[in-house]
Amino acid sequence: KAGVTQTPRYLIKTRGQQVTLSCSPISGHRSVSWYQQTPGQGLQFLFEYFSETQRNKGNFPGRFSGRQFSNSRSEMNVSTLELGDSALYLCASRLDPNSEQFFGPGTRLTVL
Amino acid sequence: AQSVTQLDSQVPVFEEAPVELRCNYSSSVSVYLFWYVQYPNQGLQLLLKYLSGSTLVESINGFEAEFNKSQTSFHLRKPSVHISDTAEYFCAVSEAGGYNKLIFGAGTRLAVHP
Repeated sequence: KAGVTQTPRYLIKTRGQQVTLSCSPISGHRSVSWYQQTPGQGLQFLFEYFSETQRNKGNFPGRFSGRQFSNSRSEMNVSTLELGDSALYLCASRLDPNSEQFFGPGTRLTVL
Repeated sequence: AQSVTQLDSQVPVFEEAPVELRCNYSSSVSVYLFWYVQYPNQGLQLLLKYLSGSTLVESINGFEAEFNKSQTSFHLRKPSVHISDTAEYFCAVSEAGGYNKLIFGAGTRLAVHP
């Protein structure tokens, strides 16, 4: 069974631009979560979607948004990029809310 | 709210020596506990988990962790490490039940030397 896939793997943007990251969960998994990993703040939860509905949200500004499609694939959007948004963005999927999360390889975003 | 403290940011050890990576958590409710490993330029891989039942959990590659409720700890141990175990290890906690986020510790970098 294929794992969680994320595209693109690397991305370079400039301040003020917007970016969309994509995540395809493991087949059959209906939940997708997003995390941001930075050297300074570590791993922080962004949001979780289950059956196309946002079920949980972390403490990030409204510039960070997401959505989930009917095939469980998810996208994360960051508008008006700031230098501090440079990070590894990790997507994780799970079968249901009570099972463990499996992570993808991440998308490394660099904001110049 | 939950929090996780990984007591060591770096742990150097020689190959074939035992190792313990320490993790303490804080929570007022029942929790699930996890250890994840991250190799360079990769995502997180689940190493082992405690959801309920036996307090000693084991992974397929020789790691084990013991849930100690009274000491609110979930230390990771391996009796004999290999060079290939060099990686960053993250302890994580989530509130038991659904739709609960993972709260991660800051990570421990395990460096295994020949």
